[in-house]
Amino acid sequence: AQTVTQSQPEMSVQEAETVTLSCTYDTSESDYYLFWYKQPPSRQMILVIRQEAYKQQNATENRFSVNFQKAAKSFSLKISDSQLGDAAMYFCAYIDLYSGGGADGLTFGKGTHLIIQP
Amino acid sequence: KAGVTQTPRYLIKTRGQQVTLSCSPISGHRSVSWYQQTPGQGLQFLFEYFSETQRNKGNFPGRFSGRQFSNSRSEMNVSTLELGDSALYLCASSLEGSNNEQFFGPGTRLTVL
Repeated sequence: AQTVTQSQPEMSVQEAETVTLSCTYDTSESDYYLFWYKQPPSRQMILVIRQEAYKQQNATENRFSVNFQKAAKSFSLKISDSQLGDAAMYFCAYIDLYSGGGADGLTFGKGTHLIIQP
Repeated sequence: KAGVTQTPRYLIKTRGQQVTLSCSPISGHRSVSWYQQTPGQGLQFLFEYFSETQRNKGNFPGRFSGRQFSNSRSEMNVSTLELGDSALYLCASSLEGSNNEQFFGPGTRLTVL
């Protein structure tokens, strides 16, 4: 079974600074997707960024970028120019591309609580 | 397009009762997945439905079941509720399968007393 580990239960950053959230995963598969989801106090899960394992280029979405190291099974999220609205729980998630005709659903890490200091 | 909707948003039940939660996916999405979120266990995959068929199931007891209708709307049912079933239940929809980008609903907060 796949596992996703987020080793930082909580991180704090000053507004406008840069912060990096860590994520490692374990899988024997070669084709998969990785995601970072954001869950603000409203509890609505919002997709932040997505990375296909077959792509070597790191995904970027505006102020959000990832450092995907496939051999090391590492997938960190960098948030640049942190804003107050970035405060939330951030979850790293993994999904197989192929598993018995369908996928087994997202496997989530335990999450990192990101605090933005004004 | 309207997002994923879940009803009800909040629910209080007592042990031994059963409950049905509903999820309406984004129009055109055929896959619906359900997740349970608790402080202790985090986010766990319950099951996925695609074209009215359960395609995958997570490691949950048989008390947890679901179904999907021809319009892709999905329901999940929990029978003989236990205190440990108190959780936020999230539904997510995607176009073709759960390995595509999943869009989440706001969740149903279930409290079992």
